[in-house]
Amino acid sequence: EIVMTQTPLSLSVTPGQPASISCKSSQSLLHSDGRTYLYWYLQKPGQPPQILIYEVFSRFSGVPDRFSGSGSGTDFTLKISRVEAEDVGVYYCMQGIHLPFMYTFGQGTKLEI
Amino acid sequence: QVQLQESGPGLVIPSETLSLTCTVSGGSISSSSHYWGWIRQAPGKGLEWIGSVYYSGDTFCNPSLKSRVAISLDTSNNQFSLKLSSVTAADTAVYYCARVGTMTGILDSWGQGTLVTVSS
Repeated sequence: EIVMTQTPLSLSVTPGQPASISCKSSQSLLHSDGRTYLYWYLQKPGQPPQILIYEVFSRFSGVPDRFSGSGSGTDFTLKISRVEAEDVGVYYCMQGIHLPFMYTFGQGTKLEI
Repeated sequence: QVQLQESGPGLVIPSETLSLTCTVSGGSISSSSHYWGWIRQAPGKGLEWIGSVYYSGDTFCNPSLKSRVAISLDTSNNQFSLKLSSVTAADTAVYYCARVGTMTGILDSWGQGTLVTVSS
């Protein structure tokens, strides 16, 4: 099983300041098809998760451009260029290299303002 | 805009079977473009993938739960279902259903989730 490890587990940020979350996988997420199946989700309080980023750096439709993803292989990062109040919640990275058989999530990073 | 809604008992007796249904509106579960999945979240914990079902009826389950999980389609009612047998308190969680893009793997639409408590 692929293990996803996020750091930090919690983050307190002043509005307007940047934030960064790291995610490391126990094995490479680069598929033989050339794509890397790493996703980022945000779970706002009392809501289901919502997709932010797919395949490392692609923003999902409607996601503000202050969110960006980077990385390759086993090391990935989610960055928020200027945190806003609406960004509070828990951020999860997720791997899907063996989709549709199995996904695994990181432990989550709680972002507070 | 597709919408998903979970339904089922909120309380299950230990050793019995948890049964949930996800009703899909605004989209067809018979589409080859998507899988239909289940994810759970224990109170105060992270997310755990349970499994998914394709329009063909093929299912794919988390190996750690596979012996207890059954996922099925009901195309006539545009629903899919989860059954988890021999439940214990460790299965207490919010259960989410979600739509998964076949080619992208993106869980792009989620239900609001339903809390299932395992207790006598």
